[in-house]
Amino acid sequence: ETGVTQTPRHLVMGMTNKKSLKCEQHLGHNAMYWYKQSAKKPLELMFVYNFKEQTENNSVPSRFSPECPNSSHLFLHLHTLQPEDSALYLCASSQDGVQQPQHFGDGTRLSIL
Amino acid sequence: AQKVTQAQTEISVVEKEDVTLDCVYETRDTTYYLFWYKQPPSGELVFLIRRNSFDEQNEISGRYSWNFQKSTSSFNFTITASQVVDSAVYFCALSEREAAGNKLTFGGGTRVLVKP
Repeated sequence: ETGVTQTPRHLVMGMTNKKSLKCEQHLGHNAMYWYKQSAKKPLELMFVYNFKEQTENNSVPSRFSPECPNSSHLFLHLHTLQPEDSALYLCASSQDGVQQPQHFGDGTRLSIL
Repeated sequence: AQKVTQAQTEISVVEKEDVTLDCVYETRDTTYYLFWYKQPPSGELVFLIRRNSFDEQNEISGRYSWNFQKSTSSFNFTITASQVVDSAVYFCALSEREAAGNKLTFGGGTRVLVKP
């Protein structure tokens, strides 16, 4: 298996539920990212991890909690979400360095009831 | 602060027509990188091209071509003889050498609809 894989592809949850999104990359990259893509809004960077260390938290509410146990895996733990959190959540990976292109997964379509 | 503007939100063309997507960027850094990505309906963003700020040569890859004009801070993308499979949202993006955390700033995207 190659590339960036995200699971699940679709998730519907209530505001009081706890769930996790998973991302796995098989490209040997050492940087991983979470993005949020809402309708009619630009892609928003949420978190960046380099060599398993978080290097960017773009003012994301604490109801989103990232976890990066190793360079190949990235999780986004969700708790007490709001309806406005419904969006496509995209994971990406790259080699370290601003010149490196990021490679994206298919995303998880999240709907909050 | 860095900023990327894609003024065209949606473009509709008939198959075999050419289509040009505009991208204008703002940056204070002298070293930076520009990217184009394609997002088909499946959702995954697909990397198309990277250009660094010191390389102003235009590039052609099959039906795709890119025109980098540093003087006007633009990095435009042309699809020649468009096909239905080109229907997607296209994003222009910018990263600066001094950006922390490999930060990539995206434009708002341009939706291209190619009709048969």
